[in-house]
Amino acid sequence: AQSVTQLGSHVSVSEGALVLLRCNYSSSVPPYLFWYVQYPNQGLQLLLKYTTGATLVKGINGFEAEFKKSETSFHLTKPSAHMSDAAEYFCAVSDSGGYQKVTFGTGTKLQVIP
Amino acid sequence: DSGVTQTPKHLITATGQRVTLRCSPRSGDLSVYWYQQSLDQGLQFLIQYYNGEERAKGNILERFSAQQFPDLHSELNLSSLELGDSALYFCASSVFGSGIPPSTDTQYFGPGTRLTVL
Repeated sequence: AQSVTQLGSHVSVSEGALVLLRCNYSSSVPPYLFWYVQYPNQGLQLLLKYTTGATLVKGINGFEAEFKKSETSFHLTKPSAHMSDAAEYFCAVSDSGGYQKVTFGTGTKLQVIP
Repeated sequence: DSGVTQTPKHLITATGQRVTLRCSPRSGDLSVYWYQQSLDQGLQFLIQYYNGEERAKGNILERFSAQQFPDLHSELNLSSLELGDSALYFCASSVFGSGIPPSTDTQYFGPGTRLTVL
């Protein structure tokens, strides 16, 4: 069975500081990994995905994530936080490669302090 | 605006009732996905349709069913509603339907339907 663990249900950073949201996965097969963002009172948005190829994945809004098989991790980073980054972020894993049958983490709420 | 529309935005109903949620995908997208987001269960994938056919099933209850019509819009039917079915129901669409999507492919989500069961 596949699962993801997001460390920290709430993370606070200062505006301009590094954003690091942690995600560890468990999968019996090579995983396919996703990060989604949910802005307050809005739907989800796919930030980025790792399927095959380069392990450093760049997404929208300046975010990127690195797949590290040895650490079973897929942490999300952004060099400089912006107030508009305040949202809830969900890591997800799929063993099928596609968007179907993804298993989501419990989410991390990011607060950006001015 | 993602281009995915969902109706209604809010729905309040009573236990035991049946409701239908509707989703229209982005123009050109053949795949529709349904998700449930609740306080108890978090985010869960329910079901996927691709060009009218069911492609994948997740944690969807037997009381729930879905279909995708020839014009590609999809409906999620929830019956014998229970208090625990209160949740935000999202749909999403993508061009790609199965296997590994190319890097250029992405999912687009609708704003959701908030269902309250009293």
